[in-house]
Amino acid sequence: AQKVTQAQTEISVVEKEDVTLDCVYETRDTTYYLFWYKQPPSGELVFLIRRNSFDEQNEISGRYSWNFQKSTSSFNFTITASQVVDSAVYFCALSEYLSGANNLFFGTGTRLTVIP
Amino acid sequence: GAVVSQHPSRVICKSGTSVKIECRSLDFQATTMFWYRQFPKQSLMLMATSNEGSKATYEQGVEKDKFLINHASLTLSTLTVTSAHPEDSSFYICSAGRTDRGYEQYFGPGTRLTVT
Repeated sequence: AQKVTQAQTEISVVEKEDVTLDCVYETRDTTYYLFWYKQPPSGELVFLIRRNSFDEQNEISGRYSWNFQKSTSSFNFTITASQVVDSAVYFCALSEYLSGANNLFFGTGTRLTVIP
Repeated sequence: GAVVSQHPSRVICKSGTSVKIECRSLDFQATTMFWYRQFPKQSLMLMATSNEGSKATYEQGVEKDKFLINHASLTLSTLTVTSAHPEDSSFYICSAGRTDRGYEQYFGPGTRLTVT
């Protein structure tokens, strides 16, 4: 069965600090997709990234970077030089090809608070 | 592009009444839409997968007769909460899958339902 674990329930950092949000997943499928979403206080989910299981290249987008390691089944998300606007709940999610790739399984989320 | 709207954004209803929530993909066609439920400070739980022109597929534990889903067109899916009870109070989020962009889902802004 698929599973997504975000062990960090809440994290607080001071503005300009770097912060890494952890995500560990479990799947028996060889083809799967990993996602990160941001949910600000308004509630709307904002898509951040999608990564397929065959692409282990790390990705950087501005202050955001993602580290995908199949060997440890992890897909961690780092925000550098954090800003107050980064305060939100961040969800890691998994979809499996064999389960119908559109079905997303979400982790429990990490609430990030950036203190000015 | 890839905008999904939900209406209403907030609704308060009395126990025993029914409430309909609409989910629309504004600038693309979505053969598949998804309905999620999110309790306060918890993760998103998939309720059902809605396919245009066919019956919805419900996740285990979700009552089909209570949560009626209709996907009559490629841009509209509706969720009707029938005979609402206070325990149905929750944040309901829909998403639409873009088949032309692999397995990306685009989320609506959510509907906060409060049953009194």
